[in-house]
Amino acid sequence: EAQVTQNPRYLITVTGKKLTVTCSQNMNHEYMSWYRQDPGLGLRQIYYSMNVEVTDKGDVPEGYKVSRKEKRNFPLILESPSPNQTSLYFCASRQVSSGNTIYFGEGSWLTVV
Amino acid sequence: LAKTTQPISMDSYEGQEVNITCSHNNIATNDYITWYQQFPSQGPRFIIQGYKTKVTNEVASLFIPADRKSSTLSLPRVSLSDTAVYYCLVGDNYGGATNKLIFGTGTLLAVQP
Repeated sequence: EAQVTQNPRYLITVTGKKLTVTCSQNMNHEYMSWYRQDPGLGLRQIYYSMNVEVTDKGDVPEGYKVSRKEKRNFPLILESPSPNQTSLYFCASRQVSSGNTIYFGEGSWLTVV
Repeated sequence: LAKTTQPISMDSYEGQEVNITCSHNNIATNDYITWYQQFPSQGPRFIIQGYKTKVTNEVASLFIPADRKSSTLSLPRVSLSDTAVYYCLVGDNYGGATNKLIFGTGTLLAVQP
């Protein structure tokens, strides 16, 4: 089954404690991306990656890092989380040749206290 | 930067046809227009995609005028289960990069009995 899998799904952490949200897709997609969703603000892109070792900033990259060492994985790293990063995060992937048909993960609820 | 504009919300009744329009003035020449549906706390789900004129699938139709600066998602005979947020997505032609996929703020469709 085609899937984008995120972990953890739910996390409460404290300010400044580094955390990583993993994302994996089994569709051999070149493109992967992270979005955050906050009430009234829709989906905002954090980072995206066109392929292995190729990453670029989205609209709201501050406070986040990503890496793309393997095609299937695209972890989101919060080096020093702050309360304003409390949000619902979605990982997504797509086959570049399929236009904008994007597959989303189930989401990761992150609370920073 | 490309920007999409959608109505914030719409109301409808079961059995009616619903049309949601999205404006996207800076759409890139080679980009597709894609619509997604999102239920609370779930990742967006692909509905339909098109490049120009009209596209129809089993759940919706997509109308795109010749200038491609807008698109209209048409949902025939909506039911209560169609209550969701609907997003249009186009590529961003800023600097020629079409991979910074920007979602609109979405339209909350509320279907009543």
